[in-house]
Amino acid sequence: GEDVEQSLFLSVREGDSSVINCTYTDSSSTYLYWYKQEPGAGLQLLTYIFSNMDMKQDQRLTVLLNKKDKHLSLRIADTQTGDSAIYFCAESHLSSGSARQLTFGSGTQLTVLP
Amino acid sequence: NAGVMQNPRHLVRRRGQEARLRCSPMKGHSHVYWYRQLPEEGLKFMVYLQKENIIDESGMPKERFSAEFPKEGPSILRIQQVVRGDSAAYFCASSPPLVSNYGYTFGSGTRLTVV
Repeated sequence: GEDVEQSLFLSVREGDSSVINCTYTDSSSTYLYWYKQEPGAGLQLLTYIFSNMDMKQDQRLTVLLNKKDKHLSLRIADTQTGDSAIYFCAESHLSSGSARQLTFGSGTQLTVLP
Repeated sequence: NAGVMQNPRHLVRRRGQEARLRCSPMKGHSHVYWYRQLPEEGLKFMVYLQKENIIDESGMPKERFSAEFPKEGPSILRIQQVVRGDSAAYFCASSPPLVSNYGYTFGSGTRLTVV
């Protein structure tokens, strides 16, 4: 089945860049997503990338996709204390009966130190 | 547009009781998805529904769990005879009828605690 892996923790200093990494196994993945979850809250979609792209930039966020290695990363420039949260990588794929199923990683807890 | 509304936000049930979790999708969205998040884990797909129709329930436990999305009213995730292992956050997401590539809109979740 599909599998998505992430490292569990990342600490950075305020103002530095954060890089959160993710690997996935399903070569038929169509879209890959990054979600942010703050304590006690739901998931907020940060950005997504189509599998035939290799990079997407959106303000402080840069997504890099290496399709050959099935590796996805999220770079947050000038990290702020408000960026402290859990970040989930997710992939979607077309499968019979479930065109829009998402498979999530376990999340990376980002801690931003002052 | 109020977004995806889930209630209650927190639910406490004793072992053996029933839990009913409600989800109202965003306006114009006719597709609903339920996901479960166990402590310190990612979200796991449970079920995908359209109005009056279950499309994919491959992630639903075989017993005690059921879901519906009636023609009128919210989608309901029902857990009968809850056990401690059902304690988790349950998230609902919705999307419009056409295939959406922009990810789903998630609600804030219902945190179920079984005591």
